[in-house]
Amino acid sequence: DTAVSQTPKYLVTQMGNDKSIKCEQNLGHDTMYWYKQDSKKFLKIMFSYNNKELIINETVPNRFSPKSPDKAHLNLHINSLELGDSAVYFCASSLEGREGYTFGSGTRLTVV
Amino acid sequence: QQQVKQSPQSLIVQKGGISIINCAYENTAFDYFPWYQQFPGKGPALLIAIRPDVSEKKEGRFTISFNKSAKQFSLHIMDSQPGDSATYFCAAMNAGNMLTFGGGTRLMVKP
Repeated sequence: DTAVSQTPKYLVTQMGNDKSIKCEQNLGHDTMYWYKQDSKKFLKIMFSYNNKELIINETVPNRFSPKSPDKAHLNLHINSLELGDSAVYFCASSLEGREGYTFGSGTRLTVV
Repeated sequence: QQQVKQSPQSLIVQKGGISIINCAYENTAFDYFPWYQQFPGKGPALLIAIRPDVSEKKEGRFTISFNKSAKQFSLHIMDSQPGDSATYFCAAMNAGNMLTFGGGTRLMVKP
């Protein structure tokens, strides 16, 4: 069983569209994260959710919104997609925000 | 502001050699320093980690050296193998439990 799973793995869409990326973890973790990896491989945190509360929000455009229906899921919704949003997005989870983040395999988003 | 600086950006090592990747941090509140390994098409995976109360930690062929006064830490891969070819990230975590990554090092181990 995959510990942290993301869908879809690949997403190609046009500018201006709205899209969602789903993430699920079966580790019993209570904190989930979204990271963005750009073309230079740099990993930057976007959001963190703990017990359905947003506890970290970096300088991310408000076109991006995380949605967590329960502790096991943290979805990423993106409105009005722009070319610069093209990247690989990783979901991760941890227990009580402690070390040992577990990452998903990523979603490669391409905006054309 | 990049809080964790990693070097080199890329590294080529012969099989059997030692790979060394260095990181420096600025935030003295960081208290946990992991290294992650990422293969193409995969997410980062925890490789080894250290806390600032020790100067070295070894797990198999992988060793972290930590210098608290210099705010630097490094990963040494002994007897490097082609299967070690991947991108390596150092990271640091502060009391707010946010994992901040370095810029990554692409390691290639030649047979």
